[in-house]
Amino acid sequence: DAKTTQPTSMDCAEGRAANLPCNHSTISGNEYVYWYRQIHSQGPQYIIHGLKNNETNEMASLIITEDRKSSTLILPHATLRNTAVYYCIVRVSNQAGTALIFGKGTTLSVSS
Amino acid sequence: EAGVAQSPRYKIIEKRQSVAFWCNPISGHATLYWYQQILGQGPKLLIQFQNNGVVDDSQLPKDRFSAERLKGVDSTLKIQPAKLEDSAVYLCASSLIGGDGNTIYFGEGSWLTVV
Repeated sequence: DAKTTQPTSMDCAEGRAANLPCNHSTISGNEYVYWYRQIHSQGPQYIIHGLKNNETNEMASLIITEDRKSSTLILPHATLRNTAVYYCIVRVSNQAGTALIFGKGTTLSVSS
Repeated sequence: EAGVAQSPRYKIIEKRQSVAFWCNPISGHATLYWYQQILGQGPKLLIQFQNNGVVDDSQLPKDRFSAERLKGVDSTLKIQPAKLEDSAVYLCASSLIGGDGNTIYFGEGSWLTVV
């Protein structure tokens, strides 16, 4: 079973920041937080991941609380093309390449 | 860099027929995954390979599903005989092994409709 809890859906106005929360209260010390998004009719796309520190790349920022029990994915300037299902996943990274266990994700709707 | 390739992209079959899906992972990726995604749900892991060995197939319905990864590169997923509830998108993914936070990359998926 997925070890994360996300809201089922969220709305965001185009050009505004989209903040997607995720709870992972049972996360272990060696588990990373991953975010993927899935646009209809496409495979999941990697966005960002982190262990303890906040992370930023060209797609998004990831803010992880100090106790690591929750995190927030931030899309700084949402566009209509950001409308998708966003999955927050915790995953151990080890030599065997642990699989991703998906939950139901958050459906983000960006409107003009 | 080429991504994960899958074929066919779409397939419609009648129940009790068979179907096979093919996957070519990203070059150099030793770990390969097959996921099943039913409409409205998140992807569910069916089987995971490392090179040509099976790491996890606990969720694979072995009475009708089979998968192989000969030579540790390409993989095929077969369903025989298909049931209506097998209608789904079958996603292939791959990753490197080892290292911190090794990312998993997905293909576009193969859409199966069983009628």
